[in-house]
Amino acid sequence: GAVVSQHPSRVICKSGTSVKIECRSLDFQATTMFWYRQFPKQSLMLMATSNEGSKATYEQGVEKDKFLINHASLTLSTLTVTSAHPEDSSFYICSARRLAGDTGELFFGEGSRLTVL
Amino acid sequence: GNSVTQMEGPVTLSEEAFLTINCTYTATGYPSLFWYVQYPGEGLQLLLKATKADDKGSNKGFEATYRKETTSFHLEKGSVQVSDSAVYFCALSENNDMRFGAGTRLTVKP
Repeated sequence: GAVVSQHPSRVICKSGTSVKIECRSLDFQATTMFWYRQFPKQSLMLMATSNEGSKATYEQGVEKDKFLINHASLTLSTLTVTSAHPEDSSFYICSARRLAGDTGELFFGEGSRLTVL
Repeated sequence: GNSVTQMEGPVTLSEEAFLTINCTYTATGYPSLFWYVQYPGEGLQLLLKATKADDKGSNKGFEATYRKETTSFHLEKGSVQVSDSAVYFCALSENNDMRFGAGTRLTVKP
């Protein structure tokens, strides 16, 4: 099956620094990737929809300047948490749809756990 | 906007019990509906899907029927196993807008 890889899987950083998380579709091209934040009680919150070659579409309440998303190619999207603070500590998950349209399955990355000290 | 509401957990069942996890949705048109599962320590993966009204998705003994009249996509399994312990997410997709429910943690005890 299709594979989506996230890197790094775990990252610890100091408050005020920036962290970049990569999401790659390894064996297919993804025109759209999604970024989620998973909270401790398991809810999955959509942060933004990343479209190759255009600006990401952010969900209400998600700060665009804090969570920078770049989808520079059909196989790579990056999420940069700028000036991270302890409240940004969370589990971030990306997903990609292999086929265009709503019927296609999403393939998920393994997730990246961010801890901000 | 579109949204998904699923029953709150956690759900604890004995092995071979019947499982139902309720899911209802709100959408402006005709979304595709999905159930994803997250096993302990793993990422989310597709369990089953239905792309139009009255379709039934099924996989690994799980079933869900797309009910447009009740805007529901309830997940069922006739006899759960310990290995079914996981978090289950109901989701919809419409116009490339993907939404997930909050997830329901299922624990099956031997």
